[in-house]
Amino acid sequence: QQPVQSPQAVILREGEDAVINCSSSKALYSVHWYRQKHGEAPVFLMILLKGGEQMRHEKISASFNEKKQQSSLYLTASQLSYSGTYFCGTESGGSARQLTFGSGTQLTVLP
Amino acid sequence: KAGVTQTPRYLIKTRGQQVTLSCSPISGHRSVSWYQQTPGQGLQFLFEYFSETQRNKGNFPGRFSGRQFSNSRSEMNVSTLELGDSALYLCASMSGGQRNEQYFGPGTRLTVT
Repeated sequence: QQPVQSPQAVILREGEDAVINCSSSKALYSVHWYRQKHGEAPVFLMILLKGGEQMRHEKISASFNEKKQQSSLYLTASQLSYSGTYFCGTESGGSARQLTFGSGTQLTVLP
Repeated sequence: KAGVTQTPRYLIKTRGQQVTLSCSPISGHRSVSWYQQTPGQGLQFLFEYFSETQRNKGNFPGRFSGRQFSNSRSEMNVSTLELGDSALYLCASMSGGQRNEQYFGPGTRLTVT
């Protein structure tokens, strides 16, 4: 089942912060975060494993709440280069290693 | 280390034709997954290969098939193309192991007319 991402879209000014959420109704093994710019392939940002991990990639960090089956992506002091569509991909574990992706959050950072 | 390569990058085909797309994963990665991305359906899983064996398949018709070679390179084939097959086809090179990081190639943009 597809994870639910919120919000669907967000517009920020440079330097502002944003949070993107990814929720699943299924027990998850891991959550993967990607950013995709228009006309390009998704770029891997980070992966969080079950167990309540927190990860960081430059000024972007993420957490995984195993009890809620929810992951949040935190973009701090956003830069123009952060603009794009953010996807979370979830892995349920077992022999199935493919990702099930949310519908994406379109982030626009304005000067 | 070289990234994921996909060929061709762009393809225009006519309804009823067939197409073969190719993917070379990151050196050392033995698993490859294929995804279809469309504006309406988003990113959808097609199939996953590990050591030349299809490990999982998504909910796509039998017209979609794939294979993996001993050097981990993978191909996917779509037969009897339909207009709805127009999409960006992405190959993900998978590191395996506990984290199983997945890195996408640049994709093949298929247009069916």
